[in-house]
Amino acid sequence: DAGVTQSPTHLIKTRGQQVTLRCSPKSGHDTVSWYQQALGQGPQFIFQYYEEEERQRGNFPDRFSGHQFPNYSSELNVNALLLGDSALYLCASSLTDLSYNEQFFGPGTRLTVL
Amino acid sequence: KNEVEQSPQNLTAQEGEFITINCSYSVGISALHWLQQHPGGGIVSLFMLSSGKKKHGRLIATINIQEKHSSLHITASHPRDSAVYICAVIGGSQGNLIFGKGTKLSVKP
Repeated sequence: DAGVTQSPTHLIKTRGQQVTLRCSPKSGHDTVSWYQQALGQGPQFIFQYYEEEERQRGNFPDRFSGHQFPNYSSELNVNALLLGDSALYLCASSLTDLSYNEQFFGPGTRLTVL
Repeated sequence: KNEVEQSPQNLTAQEGEFITINCSYSVGISALHWLQQHPGGGIVSLFMLSSGKKKHGRLIATINIQEKHSSLHITASHPRDSAVYICAVIGGSQGNLIFGKGTKLSVKP
């Protein structure tokens, strides 16, 4: 079992560009959540995908969008990048159970916006 | 005020010491995670608990739902325990995680 994988591991972009990050969930998991972790801070919830739809969203602007594919993998897209978007982006997968879902985390993608 | 508060923010200990990290939360939860994050970013789930106490090796996690408080204990600490320990609660109806800011632990040999 490969666990949760993310790609790429590191990425450098300039302001105004667009970026796509990818996540493959742990085998058997159907739900993917995305988090942004700024340096020295705890992760912040961006959104969660289940059955190819955005099920819940945190306090992030529309520049942040996502997608889930039929094989449960997911993408996070960020448009019009700002310097403040520099962060570690974490993906976590789980098996949907609305009251008790343990999440398994990927290694993260480190995004630097110059 | 953050919904999940951890203390202390930073902790330095000598190898062998008993360590306690505390987490308080202000929202209704269905469960609480203790997570470990090493330099480089990867996060590992140590415990998920909704009541009582769990033990895994030298790690013990407790939770008091009435007091909205949880503790993570490390017995006989070792330099390899050095990491950031994060408390996260499963809040709301759809189970997204709400994270504390983490406690940075450094265990000196």
